[in-house]
Amino acid sequence: QKEVEQDPGPLSVPEGAIVSLNCTYSNSAFQYFMWYRQYSRKGPELLMYTYSSGNKEDGRFTAQVDKSSKYISLFIRDSQPSDSATYLCAMSEGNTGKLIFGQGTTLQVKP
Amino acid sequence: GAVVSQHPSWVICKSGTSVKIECRSLDFQATTMFWYRQFPKQSLMLMATSNEGSKATYEQGVEKDKFLINHASLTLSTLTVTSAHPEDSSFYICSARDPGSRQPQHFGDGTRLSIL
Repeated sequence: QKEVEQDPGPLSVPEGAIVSLNCTYSNSAFQYFMWYRQYSRKGPELLMYTYSSGNKEDGRFTAQVDKSSKYISLFIRDSQPSDSATYLCAMSEGNTGKLIFGQGTTLQVKP
Repeated sequence: GAVVSQHPSWVICKSGTSVKIECRSLDFQATTMFWYRQFPKQSLMLMATSNEGSKATYEQGVEKDKFLINHASLTLSTLTVTSAHPEDSSFYICSARDPGSRQPQHFGDGTRLSIL
């Protein structure tokens, strides 16, 4: 079993839809949770960063962490074609520790 | 703007040659940088942790004599793929964390390596 599980998709939605992306994990020592967006042939770009459980909102993006269920989510409201990319969840035990990535979910937002 | 710069972005070379990839932190000094490898439609796999002024720490299964890492200054780490072969073709990405910030790692734009 992988430490971090993420459905690779692809996920296709119409423009304006609410997108829900999820990851599950097995290591209860993870404390830091991140979502990165990666466009084709580019490096990952940090979208959201959360410590421990709870919600965090930034514009159209909301990140949720449920440590009791070992489950994290990223919601994208009013999705745009420019949101089409691969979304990677990542987590670590410490703030300076190595990141463990999910496989990434490919999202396509159709105009 | 980019806080981590990676160069080159794309390199094609013949089998048996060595290739050097540079990773620079632009706005901060990074005592630690990370090197990842990514195959098509797969996630990032950590190869090694680059430590300024000391030896790199390699992940299990990564050949340290194959992938030489040098972290000679607080803003530069290099990855050299020695005697590259077609199976070394991949997307290599570096990252660094600003120790003065609570933000997690920032990534470079990656280097696409193609070995003929």
